[in-house]
Amino acid sequence: GAVVSQHPSWVICKSGTSVKIECRSLDFQATTMFWYRQFPKQSLMLMATSNEGSKATYEQGVEKDKFLINHASLTLSTLTVTSAHPEDSSFYICSARGRAHYEQYFGPGTRLTVT
Amino acid sequence: QKEVEQDPGPLSVPEGAIVSLNCTYSNSAFQYFMWYRQYSRKGPELLMYTYSSGNKEDGRFTAQVDKSSKYISLFIRDSQPSDSATYLCAMSDSGGSNYKLTFGKGTLLTVNP
Repeated sequence: GAVVSQHPSWVICKSGTSVKIECRSLDFQATTMFWYRQFPKQSLMLMATSNEGSKATYEQGVEKDKFLINHASLTLSTLTVTSAHPEDSSFYICSARGRAHYEQYFGPGTRLTVT
Repeated sequence: QKEVEQDPGPLSVPEGAIVSLNCTYSNSAFQYFMWYRQYSRKGPELLMYTYSSGNKEDGRFTAQVDKSSKYISLFIRDSQPSDSATYLCAMSDSGGSNYKLTFGKGTLLTVNP
C-alpha cells in the first residue's frame, strides 16, 4: 500500500516561534497533497490543497500567511506554522493522492503544542 | 442538513460480531467513496475505496454503495478487539475539485474480548 510519512511526530514550541512540518510520499508520486487539522474527538478539517509546483488553495477561514504550504516536489510538502500561538496547538495531518487516483493516503500526524 | 451524516456512536460489540457502519449523504455529485479507520492519536488508515454503486470485499471488510439511496455501508465480519477505533466515511466528486474529501463525523467502535 501507499505510504505517507510525517516529521516530526510531536513538537513543542514557544509562542511566537515558527514550526515546519514535513509530509512525504514514500512509494508514489503525490500529484496533490492535503493538509488537515483535527481537534480532540472531532473529524478532520481540511486546511488547504496543494498541487506540485503550484500555490496552495486554502479553505475559507484558514489564514494563508499563518499556515505556509509548499509543495516543491512530487514527494514532499511542508506546512509552516508562523508565529505560533497556544490556539494553534492541534493535531496536523497530511494526505497525498497519486496521479490518476482518487483515494487519499494519510500520514501518521504531527501533534503541535505551543506553550 | 450536513452533506454527510454518520452516527457517532459509540458502538460496542462483542468479539466475533458482525459490525455494520453507515453513512448517508445529500450531494448527488459524490462518486468516490472511502472508509478510513483511525486509532487514537494516529492518522486515518484507508480501508476500502469504491467508485460509484456496488459492493467491494477485502478480507473481513465489505463496502457497499447505493447511490440511488445515497447510502454507504461498511461491514466488518468476525470483529476483533484490534478493530476498536473510529471509522470515518469519506466521499468526493469529480477530479475538478482535486478529489477533495468530505468526511462523516466518525463512528467510535469498541470490540470487547
